[in-house]
Amino acid sequence: KQEVTQIPAALSVPEGENLVLNCSFTDSAIYNLQWFRQDPGKGLTSLLLIQSSQREQTSGRLNASLDKSSGRSTLYIAASQPGDSATYLCAVLGGFKTIFGAGTRLFVKA
Amino acid sequence: GAGVSQSPRYKVAKRGQDVALRCDPISGHVSLFWYQQALGQGPEFLTYFQNEAQLDKSGLPSDRFFAERPEGSVSTLKIQRTQQEDSAVYLCASSPLAGVILNEQFFGPGTRLTVL
Repeated sequence: KQEVTQIPAALSVPEGENLVLNCSFTDSAIYNLQWFRQDPGKGLTSLLLIQSSQREQTSGRLNASLDKSSGRSTLYIAASQPGDSATYLCAVLGGFKTIFGAGTRLFVKA
Repeated sequence: GAGVSQSPRYKVAKRGQDVALRCDPISGHVSLFWYQQALGQGPEFLTYFQNEAQLDKSGLPSDRFFAERPEGSVSTLKIQRTQQEDSAVYLCASSPLAGVILNEQFFGPGTRLTVL
């Protein structure tokens, strides 16, 4: 059974800091991995999608990496801003079922 | 363009009532997913549709939960005889492609269900 773990559960950083969010999964037989952000009371916004054959994806200040063999993904956020404050979720897709981690709650202080 | 929409946004039900939650996916999207999200947790998969076919319903927690997508677009999640443990946010997502390889999911705002 696939399990997805995100560390840390919560993180508070000053504005401008670079930071890394971690996601680990137990079954390496995945098709893709997707990172989302969720603002309070809102749905999920897709940030990056990494196919199983890829090692990383970049969008603006965000970079996500994938190492299937070790069951790990990281989301790197450069030069963090207060607007980045949200919960970040990673999700792995194997078959039709998508398995989410519990998320990392990020607070960026101005 | 229009994203995924869900209605109602909030629903309060008395224990034992039946509820129906609606999802309007992005037009033309083949795949549709339902999730249940408890407070402070990540979403949990409920079911998956490819067009009108329900290909995976392994996440539905009990036979009180039923989902349909009869014409391959709008979907309804129905919960019969609601219980307090059904209180959660129900999220719907759609994807443009069938299958799973390149399937980026786009989420609606969710329906917050509270069972009293």
